[in-house]
Amino acid sequence: QQQVKQSPQSLIVQKGGISIINCAYENTAFDYFPWYQQFPGKGPALLIAIRPDVSEKKEGRFTISFNKSAKQFSLHIMDSQPGDSATYFCAASMYSGSRLTFGEGTQLTVNP
Amino acid sequence: DSGVTQTPKHLITATGQRVTLRCSPRSGDLSVYWYQQSLDQGLQFLIQYYNGEERAKGNILERFSAQQFPDLHSELNLSSLELGDSALYFCASSPDPNNEQFFGPGTRLTVL
Repeated sequence: QQQVKQSPQSLIVQKGGISIINCAYENTAFDYFPWYQQFPGKGPALLIAIRPDVSEKKEGRFTISFNKSAKQFSLHIMDSQPGDSATYFCAASMYSGSRLTFGEGTQLTVNP
Repeated sequence: DSGVTQTPKHLITATGQRVTLRCSPRSGDLSVYWYQQSLDQGLQFLIQYYNGEERAKGNILERFSAQQFPDLHSELNLSSLELGDSALYFCASSPDPNNEQFFGPGTRLTVL
């Protein structure tokens, strides 16, 4: 049973634009929501993470928005750059060190 | 570079065979996780060890087994291999079960 649904599957954005990736979860016991970035041939790398006690977290050009009542969270990439072209995964877990349940992934392409 | 190392990088074998994947966690990390990434199943949690003890188990097949050794490196053993076992296998580590997970570069397994 897929517990974290991610959309869109693929996204094409122009350089300087805003990339938005959305995720929805089912399990209300989830308490930690990270985003991972994966380049071809590499392992997922932790980008940014949020806990449900805050509605937004920003780190540089990356922002997570969290809506606990809707059980949804999203990643916003401001001023998207060609170097941001990668696959992005949302995930959820009970706490930061517990098993991660991943979304399906979004392949982001930022055109120069 | 996350500091997690995995060997080998690539592995090609035949159906029915047995292989061992190795993971060395980041220095000081006591917790090790194994994940499988395939086209049809996405990124899925297999198993977690903490300081040598199994801590959590996901949808890991009975043909698969793992262990964490006293020096904290971990091995994932896959036996009676089937075509469907072809995937990327990632190891992640964290200082303890309450901390963020950092992924290694993965081992690409191809079963012919």
